[in-house]
Amino acid sequence: GAGVSQSPRYKVAKRGQDVALRCDPISGHVSLFWYQQALGQGPEFLTYFQNEAQLDKSGLPSDRFFAERPEGSVSTLKIQRTQQEDSAVYLCASSLAGGGETQYFGPGTRLLVL
Amino acid sequence: GENVEQHPSTLSVQEGDSAVIKCTYSDSASNYFPWYKQELGKGPQLIIDIRSNVGEKKDQRIAVTLNKTAKHFSLHITETQPEDSAVYFCAASNYGQNFVFGPGTRLSVLP
Repeated sequence: GAGVSQSPRYKVAKRGQDVALRCDPISGHVSLFWYQQALGQGPEFLTYFQNEAQLDKSGLPSDRFFAERPEGSVSTLKIQRTQQEDSAVYLCASSLAGGGETQYFGPGTRLLVL
Repeated sequence: GENVEQHPSTLSVQEGDSAVIKCTYSDSASNYFPWYKQELGKGPQLIIDIRSNVGEKKDQRIAVTLNKTAKHFSLHITETQPEDSAVYFCAASNYGQNFVFGPGTRLSVLP
């Protein structure tokens, strides 16, 4: 079946612009995670949803970052007033149940802020 | 919170040799330990995982061992092939929480 998909795959933004990154999880997966991966590093947790509820947003680096999953399926990660340090790959993962279960990752969105 | 260390950061082996990557974690409550392979331009792909009630798990050429007392776990790849070349990440998780990843190991398999 279809895996996790993310769009766009690449995004170039001028500093100060707002961006929106989309994640389509595997159908039926309850949990959805967002991670940020800087060049040459491992993914770092941003936020976690169980259905439409955002249960953990402790990894969001600033109040410029906002995520939502209004209907418990598709999720959007929004970054307001982008800064150069926001340049990274943003990965989305979904799992059938809660944390501790296998997470399946999408291909990521590579964001470059100029 | 959880902290995961991973060694080595880079590893080169000859085709057919074995490769071993080691990780340590800090939170004794962690009970799930997956390993992911990431190829250039792609998202991480799960290759094997182990839970805290098991000491070893094997899947063809790939095996993972876990020592809960010492809080470390290792990935073993035997009979390496050029297509095994990638970045490998270990992670640790406590059920109900997010994954904490190690910094990664770049494996190069030389033909």
